[in-house]
Amino acid sequence: NAGVTQTPKFHILKTGQSMTLQCAQDMNHGYLSWYRQDPGMGLRRIHYSVAAGITDKGEVPDGYNVSRSNTEDFPLRLESAAPSQTSVYFCASNLGDSDLNTEAFFGQGTRLTVV
Amino acid sequence: GQQLNQSPQSMFIQEGEDVSMNCTSSSIFNTWLWYKQDPGEGPVLLIALYKAGELTSNGRLTAQFGITRKDSFLNISASIPSDVGIYFCAGRPVGGFKTIFGAGTRLFVKA
Repeated sequence: NAGVTQTPKFHILKTGQSMTLQCAQDMNHGYLSWYRQDPGMGLRRIHYSVAAGITDKGEVPDGYNVSRSNTEDFPLRLESAAPSQTSVYFCASNLGDSDLNTEAFFGQGTRLTVV
Repeated sequence: GQQLNQSPQSMFIQEGEDVSMNCTSSSIFNTWLWYKQDPGEGPVLLIALYKAGELTSNGRLTAQFGITRKDSFLNISASIPSDVGIYFCAGRPVGGFKTIFGAGTRLFVKA
């Protein structure tokens, strides 16, 4: 069982370029989230989805877009990257349609640098 | 904004020592979770706590849900080098709909 798979693992982007971070889960989980991890800030939620076709904003959504066309995939799109988006990004999934009372399974992360 | 205060930020200890870290909030929480992140990996759940006063162990790890419901503690006994990593507390405030994460405690263990 692969769990939550993120690609790429590392990437360097120039300011203004666009990029899509991929997230795929094979556990038939309903609830998917994107987080960014910055030193001293913990994990902050960017966007989340409770089911295919339904997405919503998290704590820090500006500069990011998401889509959920099926249960498995939850790509995160940066349309015009900025240096402030340099971070480690994690995708996480929870069984069901919420993250209440269920364990979050995290991908390995994508380390993104915007220069 | 973030509502959890996790301390200490980092710890440097000798192998074999015991470790304590905690997480506090100004709000009441109905669930506390402790995750560990190994270098280069995503966080993995260690312990979940669902009732005030609950004390739960997972091997050398013990976590407690504070009686006030505003704090939680994680203890690691007889640390070993593979305990190195970042430990995150996470919680769900009463009336809240999402999990909130603390900033993490970075643990270094010297052999």
